[in-house]
Amino acid sequence: GAGVSQSPRYKVAKRGQDVALRCDPISGHVSLFWYQQALGQGPEFLTYFQNEAQLDKSGLPSDRFFAERPEGSVSTLKIQRTQQEDSAVYLCASSSRTGLHYSNQPQHFGDGTRLSIL
Amino acid sequence: ELKVEQNPLFLSMQEGKNYTIYCNYSTTSDRLYWYRQDPGKSLESLFVLLSNGAVKQEGRLMASLDTKARLSTLHITAAVHDLSATYFCAVERSYTGANSKLTFGKGITLSVRP
Repeated sequence: GAGVSQSPRYKVAKRGQDVALRCDPISGHVSLFWYQQALGQGPEFLTYFQNEAQLDKSGLPSDRFFAERPEGSVSTLKIQRTQQEDSAVYLCASSSRTGLHYSNQPQHFGDGTRLSIL
Repeated sequence: ELKVEQNPLFLSMQEGKNYTIYCNYSTTSDRLYWYRQDPGKSLESLFVLLSNGAVKQEGRLMASLDTKARLSTLHITAAVHDLSATYFCAVERSYTGANSKLTFGKGITLSVRP
């Protein structure tokens, strides 16, 4: 497909388990973002990659959260020792903007992974 | 810290009438975005506003940006049921034209009734 693809669509885990969420961005998009959306709230920034470089991880809530994009394409968000407050929808977005030019291209979002921690 | 506020948070609209919703933000920013989200779905980009005085229109929706007032408005003309959704505005700050994070408001849920 042509859009941002995320998997799994739904994930249920027991507290304390580790989870891994996958994002496949739009082909050719060098910029990739992860956001967390709690119920009834707007998305909140977690981290940003340009190609394989993680340029901003200021939104990761704790050291239990880790993201990677080793080949500059697919990205994985990993949450270790999950806790109930990690329950949320995790959204991935990609963009064709690579910097310096003043472009009107938005971030394109995937359908998200709904994570429920029991 | 950049803050984005939207109001009202919920709006019940009557079919055929016009409405305006608001987004204001706390510090100078480079771009403002409007997204639409249907329940259980992802965010769909509606508008990207780049500069002061920018106005964009798509169908029954028109968005404008006043960077001096740090305010964006989304005007709805002759509301129809298909417009029922949650609308988010998001603000981006960047210094070189490079990507940076979006800061979202809490969203405004619009419901159109007959």
